[in-house]
Parts: sequence; C-alpha cells; structure tokens
Amino acid sequence: DSGVTQTPKHLITATGQRVTLRCSPRSGDLSVYWYQQSLDQGLQFLIQYYNGEERAKGNILERFSAQQFPDLHSELNLSSLELGDSALYFCASSAGTSFQETQYFGPGTRLLVL
Amino acid sequence: DAKTTQPNSMESNEEEPVHLPCNHSTISGTDYIHWYRQLPSQGPEYVIHGLTSNVNNRMASLAIAEDRKSSTLILHRATLRDAAVYYCILRDVHQGGSEKLVFGKGTKLTVNP
Repeated sequence: DSGVTQTPKHLITATGQRVTLRCSPRSGDLSVYWYQQSLDQGLQFLIQYYNGEERAKGNILERFSAQQFPDLHSELNLSSLELGDSALYFCASSAGTSFQETQYFGPGTRLLVL
Repeated sequence: DAKTTQPNSMESNEEEPVHLPCNHSTISGTDYIHWYRQLPSQGPEYVIHGLTSNVNNRMASLAIAEDRKSSTLILHRATLRDAAVYYCILRDVHQGGSEKLVFGKGTKLTVNP
C-alpha cells in the first residue's frame, strides 16, 4: 500500500460526458502528479501540482484540467470525453517538487468511454 | 522521448538471480537513474534509484556502469511475485526547465516456477 488513494476505481461513461477523478496523496507529500496509461501510449505524464500550484505540464489535452485543493487532495477533470480517452489514470505523490524524488503511485482509476 | 533503452521482455526461473539491463547513453551528470515496476493491474511501484555508486535495498540492487551510460537492476532471487514490467527512467528536462519522468515500454519480466 503506497498511501496514495484514488477514487473511483472504475468509471464507465459515454462520449461527450465529463468526469472527475480524485486523488489523495500520501500524508506529508505536497506534490501530486497525474499520469494516463493506455495500451498504445504507455504511461504518459499529464500534470504536476505542488502545494496547490501547477508546477509542470506534460501531454495534457485542453479538454482535461486538474487542481489541487488546500487539503492537498487533487482532482482531474476530463470533459467532452472521446473513445480514445479510455485508459488507466494514475495519481502519484512525492514530498517535494523535483522529479528526481521517489513518486508513490495510487492504484489507478480505470475509465471506459463508450 | 524515452531516454532509456531496455529489452522488451526477459524470462527467469524462480529463486534464480535476474539481471535487467538498461542503456542511457545521453544521461547528464546530475540525473538519477530510477527503477519502477508495475505488477499486473496495479500502479507503478518504486524499486530503487542511484546516481553513481551501486545501491542496495531490500527489494533489489542497482549496478551503475562507471561511465553511467548503462545500469543493471539485480533481483537476487526472483519470486513469482516479481513478475512485472520493469521501467528504467531518467528525468527529462526541457528548455525552460520543465521536467517530467518518461516511462518507456519497460521490460516485461516473466518468472517461471
């Protein structure tokens, strides 16, 4: 158990819809990272937040957005969903800002867009 | 995008040592070499990391070449629970200082009973 929790575990929705994925980092960690894992693309970094502020951006689509709240939990919002958004979404956390630090990953949310 | 090269797959027998190689010829002087693994249906899990010297922890050992252009993850006695995809990762730094971890395709390790 990494100490990172993600909800929900599974999500099934239709194209065009909007969903919100939630992540709670390990106690004491200030950074939250979001990753997308699809069969053809592997694990792709989407975005990082540190103590409520956006810190780094990866391959995140404009239809996707994230935020980190004062209690440090984070939400990833996916809108105008397409079939290709079906994937596993992982959240990770670390103590500080550097990508050199160990990241602790949650169990993931499996999103299926029909 | 990925700065590391790993074999797509490897196979081992239970209770035997496993050596998982990784090439990272473009590594910079300040980059740590990170290893994560992903068991089936789970999120990635940290295994080990190092900079220059060989490193040991309860999960594995990391042997780093003197020129740092390659490294080897060593599982001393493979168990069935070690069957996973193993990722060797460097930090990717872009112009302007933005960074990210780039997970390549990794090495899928199969452990035979």
